[in-house]
Amino acid sequence: EDQVTQSPEALRLQEGESSSLNCSYTVSGLRGLFWYRQDPGKGPEFLFTLYSAGEEKEKERLKATLTKKESFLHITAPKPEDSATYLCAVLSLTGRRALTFGSGTRLQVQP
Amino acid sequence: GAVVSQHPSRVICKSGTSVKIECRSLDFQATTMFWYRQFPKKSLMLMATSNEGSKATYEQGVEKDKFLINHASLTLSTLTVTSAHPEDSSFYICSARIPGGETQYFGPGTRLLVL
Repeated sequence: EDQVTQSPEALRLQEGESSSLNCSYTVSGLRGLFWYRQDPGKGPEFLFTLYSAGEEKEKERLKATLTKKESFLHITAPKPEDSATYLCAVLSLTGRRALTFGSGTRLQVQP
Repeated sequence: GAVVSQHPSRVICKSGTSVKIECRSLDFQATTMFWYRQFPKKSLMLMATSNEGSKATYEQGVEKDKFLINHASLTLSTLTVTSAHPEDSSFYICSARIPGGETQYFGPGTRLLVL
């Protein structure tokens, strides 16, 4: 059974204080790993898709990396508008083509 | 690109009534759409996979007669909550997968409150 574990559950940063969010996964063959951002009361917003170990993707202050067991979402010099819940999900090569989500990391960036 | 809309964004209904939620892919055709349910401060729980022109595939524990899914066109899937009860109150979110890809794009969600 595919499993995704995200840590920490919640993170409070000061504006400009860089940090990383972790997503550990167990999957029978990785088809893809996905990062989403979710604001309260809204649907998840797509950030990145990673397909193979060693792959990295960047968007503004965010950088996602992938190894064979985990993914990191690095946030450089965060701003208050980066406050949100960040969700990680995996898609397996086998079985049904549905995402398995982690429970998310709630990030709060204080000015 | 890859915009998904949902309607309505919020609905309040009386217990026993049925509610229909629409999910549309606005700038692409989606042969596969997904319906999720999310409880407060919890992650998304997949309810069913909706395939255009065929029956939906429901996750274990999801009542197919209660949550009716129709995917009649390549841009529209609907979820009907039949005979809604207060325990059906939740945040329902749909997603659509771009053709030939794996990434799912999510709608803004529908808040259902059953009184």
